[in-house]
Amino acid sequence: KNQVEQSPQSLIILEGKNCTLQCNYTVSPFSNLRWYKQDTGRGPVSLTIMTFSENTKSNGRYTATLDADTKQSSLHITASQLSDSASYICVVTSGFGGYNKLIFGAGTRLAVHP
Amino acid sequence: GAGVSQTPSNKVTEKGKYVELRCDPISGHTALYWYRQSLGQGPEFLIYFQGTGAADDSGLPNDRFFAVRPEGSVSTLKIQRTERGDSAVYLCASSLQSGGVSYNEQFFGPGTRLTVL
Repeated sequence: KNQVEQSPQSLIILEGKNCTLQCNYTVSPFSNLRWYKQDTGRGPVSLTIMTFSENTKSNGRYTATLDADTKQSSLHITASQLSDSASYICVVTSGFGGYNKLIFGAGTRLAVHP
Repeated sequence: GAGVSQTPSNKVTEKGKYVELRCDPISGHTALYWYRQSLGQGPEFLIYFQGTGAADDSGLPNDRFFAVRPEGSVSTLKIQRTERGDSAVYLCASSLQSGGVSYNEQFFGPGTRLTVL
């Protein structure tokens, strides 16, 4: 069964600190992995996307890593800001018959406190 | 340009009633997706349209759920005889195309929060 699992479920950090969110997946066939940020009451917005051959991808203070062998990914946030408070969702795209289905994790809810 | 829009933003209905949720995708996007997101969970796939046709409706939970996209643009998700368990945020997303191009990003709307009393 295709699954995406994220940890921790929730996290509280102080403004300015760094944090790392984890994602483990069992998805086949694998096409790519994305990290989304979802603010409360909004739809998810893509932060990074990585294919099988990519190990790391950065977008400002966000850096995602991918280990396709162990089927693990992480999202590292540096120098956190209050606006980083949101849910971060790991999404794996599975290619199937020419149509690619997104498989979502449950997300990590991050709260950045002053 | 405008992003994906969804109306209404909130819908409160009574058990047993019929509801329609609307999605306006980004202009030119041929692929459209509906998802359901329960509190504290990631989105769950419901149905995918390529143009006017439903290419994959395997995520629809039962026959009370139905979606249409008659002109290949706006889509309506219809729920008959609503139940309390249908309460969730219903998200719509669109992308330029799907199939063969796995890199195509899906752009999400803000969602419709459905509450069934």
